[in-house]
Amino acid sequence: SQQGEEDPQALSIQEGENATMNCSYKTSINNLQWYRQNSGRGLVHLILIRSNEREKHSGRLRVTLDTSKKSSSLLITASRAADTASYFCATDAGTGNQFYFGTGTSLTVIP
Amino acid sequence: NAGVTQTPKFQVLKTGQSMTLQCAQDMNHNSMYWYRQDPGMGLRLIYYSASEGTTDKGEVPNGYNVSRLNKREFSLRLESAAPSQTSVYFCASKGEPAGSGNTIYFGEGSWLTVV
Repeated sequence: SQQGEEDPQALSIQEGENATMNCSYKTSINNLQWYRQNSGRGLVHLILIRSNEREKHSGRLRVTLDTSKKSSSLLITASRAADTASYFCATDAGTGNQFYFGTGTSLTVIP
Repeated sequence: NAGVTQTPKFQVLKTGQSMTLQCAQDMNHNSMYWYRQDPGMGLRLIYYSASEGTTDKGEVPNGYNVSRLNKREFSLRLESAAPSQTSVYFCASKGEPAGSGNTIYFGEGSWLTVV
């Protein structure tokens, strides 16, 4: 079974609005990462947050991690049409060599 | 740098045929991975290789074999393709913590259809 689950499965917002997506996972982790996938392409790394961190920022991205709830959230502020993509969380397990991805959130930003 | 390169991009197979998906990375990464992506299922780990000469099963290894030919290359073989193996396959590699951290770099995907 997969380690992570994102919600919502799909999200549609107007350009300029903020988009928030959540990830829940099942077991202890070393770190959690968020990836983006444009249609028909491979995944691209966005941001990594370590298990001892609670919040991290990168440009318009803000990630939070609550290890007690085994959950993370990704906030994209001031969204743009170019942010339209699927977003996945990934967690590592055990030795840190195995990475498990959630089912993804499909974000549509309407111009 | 090319990053992670996988071939072929598209392939149609008949049930029972065999084929090998090739993957190479030029980032000197130790760890390499094969995932499959199906609608509504996200990415599922098929096999991974933590270092040259080692391979381990992931979540869905049945029906697949892998070879870590050298540090650069990690191939995925379907010995007898089945329609259930119709999917998009992604190869990936991971940097070391002291370097690029645990970032995973993905290839562009291989679309495989088994009829």
